[in-house]
Amino acid sequence: NAGVTQTPKFQVLKTGQSMTLQCAQDMNHNSMYWYRQDPGMGLRLIYYSASEGTTDKGEVPNGYNVSRLNKREFSLRLESAAPSQTSVYFCASSDLAGEHNEQFFGPGTRLTVL
Amino acid sequence: GEDVEQSLFLSVREGDSSVINCTYTDSSSTYLYWYKQEPGAGLQLLTYIFSNMDMKQDQRLTVLLNKKDKHLSLRIADTQTGDSAIYFCAEAGAGRRALTFGSGTRLQVQP
Repeated sequence: NAGVTQTPKFQVLKTGQSMTLQCAQDMNHNSMYWYRQDPGMGLRLIYYSASEGTTDKGEVPNGYNVSRLNKREFSLRLESAAPSQTSVYFCASSDLAGEHNEQFFGPGTRLTVL
Repeated sequence: GEDVEQSLFLSVREGDSSVINCTYTDSSSTYLYWYKQEPGAGLQLLTYIFSNMDMKQDQRLTVLLNKKDKHLSLRIADTQTGDSAIYFCAEAGAGRRALTFGSGTRLQVQP
């Protein structure tokens, strides 16, 4: 039981390049999330998917797209990377039983855009 | 919008108690959470409290909630060097699926 896995762990891009961050969970959770973490700013929600086939914008969606490929996988795409997207990206999943939203986090992807 | 505030840094000596504080603005918050992040790792849930509770104790951890003042605290008794990490407060409002996180408090435990 691996929990939430993310690939790659590290990535360096040049401005304008594109890439996809991959996330998978094996806990049969319905909901999945993408956050970015910047120094002194905590975690900010980029996009989330409440269930397979649905996605919604979070607090900072500009410059990103997402795909909920199936129940297990939720990818984040940067079409044209910018230095402002240098950050650590975390994927999370949860099973919204009742009102309690315990989220399980992956180890993160550290992205640098030059 | 919703906001969660935390102080950025706390330093304590090994064996002392640590108290990390958090304030939030959303009066509809239903659950409040404390997550721990160790260097280079993702976040791990430490504990949570439902909004109709004042206190929750779990081994060395004590969570206090003052709903009137929208203030949450995490007390770690007998703090150890392994407790050195960043601690995030987060809240979930009624009807909202995503959590709102504070900026995190870096706890440094000195031997």
